[in-house]
Amino acid sequence: NAGVTQTPKFRVLKTGQSMTLLCAQDMNHEYMYWYRQDPGMGLRLIHYSVGEGTTAKGEVPDGYNVSRLKKQNFLLGLESAAPSQTSVYFCASSSAGGPNTGELFFGEGSRLTVL
Amino acid sequence: AQSVSQHNHHVILSEAASLELGCNYSYGGTVNLFWYVQYPGQHLQLLLKYFSGDPLVKGIKGFEAEFIKSKFSFNLRKPSVQWSDTAEYFCAVKDLWGYNKLIFGAGTRLAVHP
Repeated sequence: NAGVTQTPKFRVLKTGQSMTLLCAQDMNHEYMYWYRQDPGMGLRLIHYSVGEGTTAKGEVPDGYNVSRLKKQNFLLGLESAAPSQTSVYFCASSSAGGPNTGELFFGEGSRLTVL
Repeated sequence: AQSVSQHNHHVILSEAASLELGCNYSYGGTVNLFWYVQYPGQHLQLLLKYFSGDPLVKGIKGFEAEFIKSKFSFNLRKPSVQWSDTAEYFCAVKDLWGYNKLIFGAGTRLAVHP
């Protein structure tokens, strides 16, 4: 199993450009998430999805859009990139399961630099 | 809103030293707690988790954590660290509003010298 796969791994953008990060999971998980990781701030939730066709805002959603057209894929889009969006982006997934689940499985990250 | 505090941002140890990383959370009710580790250049991996029961939780690679409800703490420990434990460690609490969303602390960067 590949688990959670993110593409691309690295990208450099100019301010104002747009791009999409793709996340794919092969574990048949219901829930998927996009986090960003910044030094000294840990991971912060951008958007998440609880099922195909659904999305919801997390802690830091501004400047990002997401879509979940298929259960296994979760796309993160930047319509007009800004230097403040320079970060490492992590996708994660988890099973809906019962009360004793909750483990998130992470992808390897996508490092985005906005000049 | 819930929050997680990790007080040690950088820790430097020699091999065989004992490790304790602090984690405090803000909510006083039922909590699900996690420690994740991120080795250099890799993704986050689960070290251990606490949902209920024995407050002393054992995880992978010799790590353990103790849940102390009265102190709102979930500190990570290892009796003897190795160079390969060099990594960043994140404490996290499951969000009250469900869907397995995790709220992470800022992380502790551990460097172990041979």
